[in-house]
Amino acid sequence: GNSVTQMEGPVTLSEEAFLTINCTYTATGYPSLFWYVQYPGEGLQLLLKATKADDKGSNKGFEATYRKETTSFHLEKGSVQVSDSAVYFCARLNTGNQFYFGTGTSLTVIP
Amino acid sequence: KAGVTQTPRYLIKTRGQQVTLSCSPISGHRSVSWYQQTPGQGLQFLFEYFSETQRNKGNFPGRFSGRQFSNSRSEMNVSTLELGDSALYLCASSLEGSSGANVLTFGAGSRLTVL
Repeated sequence: GNSVTQMEGPVTLSEEAFLTINCTYTATGYPSLFWYVQYPGEGLQLLLKATKADDKGSNKGFEATYRKETTSFHLEKGSVQVSDSAVYFCARLNTGNQFYFGTGTSLTVIP
Repeated sequence: KAGVTQTPRYLIKTRGQQVTLSCSPISGHRSVSWYQQTPGQGLQFLFEYFSETQRNKGNFPGRFSGRQFSNSRSEMNVSTLELGDSALYLCASSLEGSSGANVLTFGAGSRLTVL
């Protein structure tokens, strides 16, 4: 299969807390992996990506490492801010330019 | 460089009507994909167009159709609207490249409400 599974939300954290959002993918080939973020009222924006095993994507303090052995691409941030409140989507890209998205995880950061 | 532009941003229709949504991709992007986003189903892939040809198709009924023009602009059409078609319709464009290099750039979406 070509599925992506991410942890269900909603997630509520206090400012400066550590964030982890889990994402796993079915091991069909070696897809590229992505995290997208959707702020209220907007479309999705690319947050970070990794195209091969052991790659680490990073952006705006967020990181995710492509782990082939656990078929995972967990999103982490050491210290979240109120402005990080959004919905986060894990996604995989197969050959043929077909993206598969997880169901999204809503994050709310409270001051 | 302008982003992906979708029009209209909001629209309200009644059951049985049809609707056409438009998407202008980033200049130079030849691939355009459409997604339906609902609270219950999340992001579901509708179809992808490349060089005026539908290259991939999701699992939606024939009431959902699309096309792409020679300038890469794309439209999607939904006929005989149902209440369940109420959703945010997202368009995304990407450069054609080797697998793994492609990144989808999304528009802000067209929010359709069916009454």
